[in-house]
Amino acid sequence: ILNVEQSPQSLHVQEGDSTNFTCSFPSSNFYALHWYRWETAKSPEALFVMTLNGDEKKKGRISATLNTKEGYSYLYIKGSQPEDSATYLCAFANTGNQFYFGTGTSLTVIP
Amino acid sequence: DTEVTQTPKHLVMGMTNKKSLKCEQHMGHRAMYWYKQKAKKPPELMFVYSYEKLSINESVPSRFSPECPNSSLLNLHLHALQPEDSALYLCASSLVGQTFYEQYFGPGTRLTVT
Repeated sequence: ILNVEQSPQSLHVQEGDSTNFTCSFPSSNFYALHWYRWETAKSPEALFVMTLNGDEKKKGRISATLNTKEGYSYLYIKGSQPEDSATYLCAFANTGNQFYFGTGTSLTVIP
Repeated sequence: DTEVTQTPKHLVMGMTNKKSLKCEQHMGHRAMYWYKQKAKKPPELMFVYSYEKLSINESVPSRFSPECPNSSLLNLHLHALQPEDSALYLCASSLVGQTFYEQYFGPGTRLTVT
């Protein structure tokens, strides 16, 4: 089992604040890094899939960066809104076709 | 249609029962996945089907038996389960089985084994 860690475990921010969280993964045999948003009582929803070192992806107010050499990815949310409240999961894929989700960061945006 | 559907939503079964979980997608995806998620833990990959063939089995006990009758449908047959198998079972699909394709998830089946 590979170690995919996310921090912090949970986060409470005020509406309008910007925030970021981290996904750490093994730096060897990297293939892809996924980010998903999982709202309560809904299905996990894909945000980004990144494959290249230095990749930066953006979707509205959410963006992500990738450093495969040191084994981390950051997810940023600019101007958090209550509808951003969810658990954010990263998932790491290696060249051995293994696929592991991280432990998740639970975000609560307070109106 | 970008939806993955799963039935039933909830299932309670005894340890001697046989039941099945069903997953369906109509996005033309050729890879489908089963995950198990225990409370406060990340989803764990169980099986991957690629072009209707089992491509990954993550050492799952034989009391879980997957089946992919066609490219749109994925079943998980359950038999002689244990109480520790109680969990949320998630199905997902992707364009093909390469792990750089995003996965589309269903809402899950909440399974309780009594």
